[in-house]
Amino acid sequence: QVTLEESGPALVKPTQTVTLTCTVSGFSLSNTGIRVSWIRQPPGGALEWLARIDWDDDKVYNTSLRTRLTISKDTSKNQVILKMTNMDPVDTATYFCARIGSRGFGLDYWGQGILVTVSS
Amino acid sequence: DLQMTQSPSTLSASVGDRVTITCRASQSYNRWVAWYQQKPGKAPKLLIWGVSNLVNGVPSRFSGSESGAEFTLTISSLQPDDFATYYCQHYSSFSFTFGGGTKVDIK
Repeated sequence: QVTLEESGPALVKPTQTVTLTCTVSGFSLSNTGIRVSWIRQPPGGALEWLARIDWDDDKVYNTSLRTRLTISKDTSKNQVILKMTNMDPVDTATYFCARIGSRGFGLDYWGQGILVTVSS
Repeated sequence: DLQMTQSPSTLSASVGDRVTITCRASQSYNRWVAWYQQKPGKAPKLLIWGVSNLVNGVPSRFSGSESGAEFTLTISSLQPDDFATYYCQHYSSFSFTFGGGTKVDIK
C-alpha cells in the first residue's frame, strides 16, 4: 500500500537550514504522473503549501518562500527531500509530505507529519 | 497568486444539521478544487477532488459543487464523526493554494 513518512530534526536553531526527508513506498517517484508536495501547518494554524516535485523532476515553489526552499528527490532511495534555509521561530510547524493524486490533483496520501520547532 | 477565501472560519452546528462551507477564488481558476477534513493531531484526509468527485469510502452526505468562482462543500446531515476542520484547495501547474479552514464544532 501507499505510505509516506517524514523524518528530520525536531528542533533547529534560528538561522539554521533544516533538511526534511519524505520516504515513500507503494509507488515509484519516477512513474509518469507522480507528484509529491510538502505542506506545513503551524500549531493551531492553517495548511500552507510549500513545494512540489514531479516525476520528470519539474519543481514548483510557494512564491513567498521560494528563495528559502529547495526540493529534490532520490528515486533510488524513494525519497523526496526539502531544504529550508534561514529558519525562524515563525517556521515552527508540522511539516507534511503528500502525494498528489493523478485524478483531480488532490493530495490523496499523506505522511503523519513531523513537528519542527525553531528555537534557540 | 490565486487566493482561496474560505468562509466561515468557524461554524457551530448540531447533529443532523445541513452544513455549507464555501471557498471563493480570487482570480482565474480551474476545476481542480479539492476538499479535506482534518481532525486534531492527524493529517488531512481527502474528501472530494475535481470540485464534486467523492473519494472512495467517503460518505455520500458529503458533496461538492461550484457556481462561478465559488466552490462549496455541503454536509447534508452532520454526524458526530464530522466535527473537524475542513479545507479547500486549488491546484494549478504553477501553484497549490489552501483556504484558511473552517472549524465545525458542536453547537
